[in-house]
Amino acid sequence: KQEVTQIPAALSVPEGENLVLNCSFTDSAIYNLQWFRQDPGKGLTSLLLIQSSQREQTSGRLNASLDKSSGRSTLYIAASQPGDSATYLCAVRRPSGSARQLTFGSGTQLTVLP
Amino acid sequence: DTGVSQDPRHKITKRGQNVTFRCDPISEHNRLYWYRQTLGQGPEFLTYFQNEAQLEKSRLLSDRFSAERPKGSFSTLEIQRTEQGDSAMYLCASSLGTEDSVLTFGAGSRLTVL
Repeated sequence: KQEVTQIPAALSVPEGENLVLNCSFTDSAIYNLQWFRQDPGKGLTSLLLIQSSQREQTSGRLNASLDKSSGRSTLYIAASQPGDSATYLCAVRRPSGSARQLTFGSGTQLTVLP
Repeated sequence: DTGVSQDPRHKITKRGQNVTFRCDPISEHNRLYWYRQTLGQGPEFLTYFQNEAQLEKSRLLSDRFSAERPKGSFSTLEIQRTEQGDSAMYLCASSLGTEDSVLTFGAGSRLTVL
């Protein structure tokens, strides 16, 4: 059974700092990995999707990397802003042909202090 | 199209009552998913539809839970004889039918069982 772990559970940083969020998964046989953002009481917004054959994806100040063999992904946020405060979730998808649901981690709650 | 819509956004009910949630996916998406999220945890997969066919159900979906997608468009999730443990955010997501398609989540329906 796939298990996804995110450490730390909570992180507080001053505005402008670069930061890294970590995600690890136990079964390296994945189809892709996604990073989501969730604001309090809201649904999830997809940030980045990395296919299993890719090493990284970038969108603006966000960069996500994937090391499938070691079961790890990181989300790098450059020049953090108070508006980045949210919970960040990573999720892995099983390979094609099997169940298509995502397995989520518990998230990292990020607070960026002005 | 304005994305995935869920209704109601909040529902407070007494233990033992039945509740029903509705999800309207993005119109061209043929896949629809239901997830449950409790406080401080990531979403957990409940069930998945491709068009009107319910292709997979999690063991989390007890006999008191039923989901339908009668015409392959909107979906309903009904919980019968609610229990306090059913209190959670119920998230709906939809996607295209390709393996690399991104899931688009709704804002969720929060259930509180008193």
